[in-house]
Amino acid sequence: SQTIHQWPATLVQPVGSPLSLECTVEGTSNPNLYWYRQAAGRGLQLLFYSVGIGQISSEVPQNLSASRPQDRQFILSSKKLLLSDSGFYLCAWSVRVPEQFFGPGTRLTVL
Amino acid sequence: QKEVEQNSGPLSVPEGAIASLNCTYSDRGSQSFFWYRQYSGKSPELIMSIYSNGDKEDGRFTAQLNKASQYVSLLIRDSQPSDSATYLCAVNHMDYGGSQGNLIFGKGTKLSVKP
Repeated sequence: SQTIHQWPATLVQPVGSPLSLECTVEGTSNPNLYWYRQAAGRGLQLLFYSVGIGQISSEVPQNLSASRPQDRQFILSSKKLLLSDSGFYLCAWSVRVPEQFFGPGTRLTVL
Repeated sequence: QKEVEQNSGPLSVPEGAIASLNCTYSDRGSQSFFWYRQYSGKSPELIMSIYSNGDKEDGRFTAQLNKASQYVSLLIRDSQPSDSATYLCAVNHMDYGGSQGNLIFGKGTKLSVKP
């Protein structure tokens, strides 16, 4: 069966510091991968999606970037965090169907 | 702009009652519809998918879709305190990015089931 991992689970970072969040999927090949952010009191916002290695599409212009160095690995990065980057970051996957399945998430607090 | 609207709640129902959650969407080209359950502090969990008009039942859950009215609902029968969570409606449109389309989420309805 498929499993999705995200780490770290929680993170507290100062403004202006870099960020790297990692997501890996097990038990499937060539998944579509997604990064979402859920800010307090707001809905799920799609940040990036990827249909294959090195293929990244950005939905919202911001100071975040994403990379997919391997088939089942998806990384979310920032060079300098802003206060507004605080939120719950969720990675999701799908394969050949529109249903998406979420990882456990990373709760990021920027101070 | 594609939008998915949900009443934020909270919706409070007594244990054993039927909880009715509603969702409307703006894009007539939307083709598949999903309900996710999200417990506080946790990630969303897919509980129902529906693709065609009518009802789809799975245990205590029934999803209802009316494409003409651009309306999808979730009924939870015999509600339990463990059903207390935020329920997210999501809509897929094949033209919205990716090989299978992407999902647009509503902000969710918070359900509280009182013992």
